[in-house]
Amino acid sequence: GENVEQHPSTLSVQEGDSAVIKCTYSDSASNYFPWYKQELGKRPQLIIDIRSNVGEKKDQRIAVTLNKTAKHFSLHITETQPEDSAVYFCAATRGGNEKLTFGTGTRLTIIP
Amino acid sequence: GAVVSQHPSRVICKSGTSVKIECRSLDFQATTMFWYRQFPKKSLMLMATSNEGSKATYEQGVEKDKFLINHASLTLSTLTVTSAHPEDSSFYICSSKLAGGRETQYFGPGTRLLVL
Repeated sequence: GENVEQHPSTLSVQEGDSAVIKCTYSDSASNYFPWYKQELGKRPQLIIDIRSNVGEKKDQRIAVTLNKTAKHFSLHITETQPEDSAVYFCAATRGGNEKLTFGTGTRLTIIP
Repeated sequence: GAVVSQHPSRVICKSGTSVKIECRSLDFQATTMFWYRQFPKKSLMLMATSNEGSKATYEQGVEKDKFLINHASLTLSTLTVTSAHPEDSSFYICSSKLAGGRETQYFGPGTRLLVL
């Protein structure tokens, strides 16, 4: 089955700087890669996703890049703000009714 | 759109009792719902995939007789933790996918279960 690794497990960034979280996956048939943000005690919220037919997607301060050959994808947050502090999870799936396989999470702390 | 609710949000029960958790898709039909368990500071662990009108598919290591899942309609799936024990204490989260839709999963707010 799919295996998703995520790094780093914790990340502290000065407010205004950029944050990058990286994930690798093992199943070359995976074609959908969402990123979720989870605040303490809350539900995971989808913040951005990418499909395997594109290499990059951007939504305001958030971007995701995908390298299918190397089987890795990254989340980039620019101009970080205190409200970006949360745990971020990457995930991968083959799509359809296949399950999502989650990474282990990255605890991002934005230092004011 | 794509709102998922869960009830209750928090429950405390005694060992040996059963607890039912409901997951509802409020504004869409979901042929597939997923049940996850999350320990503190850990990732989401998929317990089972719930398909409307058929038996749930459980992940390896998850006891289907302990965690009963019913998906009787396109908007409701239930997870019953039977004969709960303290080690069942956890954060349980469901997610739903749109019927006939894409892969995106929408999560419920979670249920925090504490078994005394």
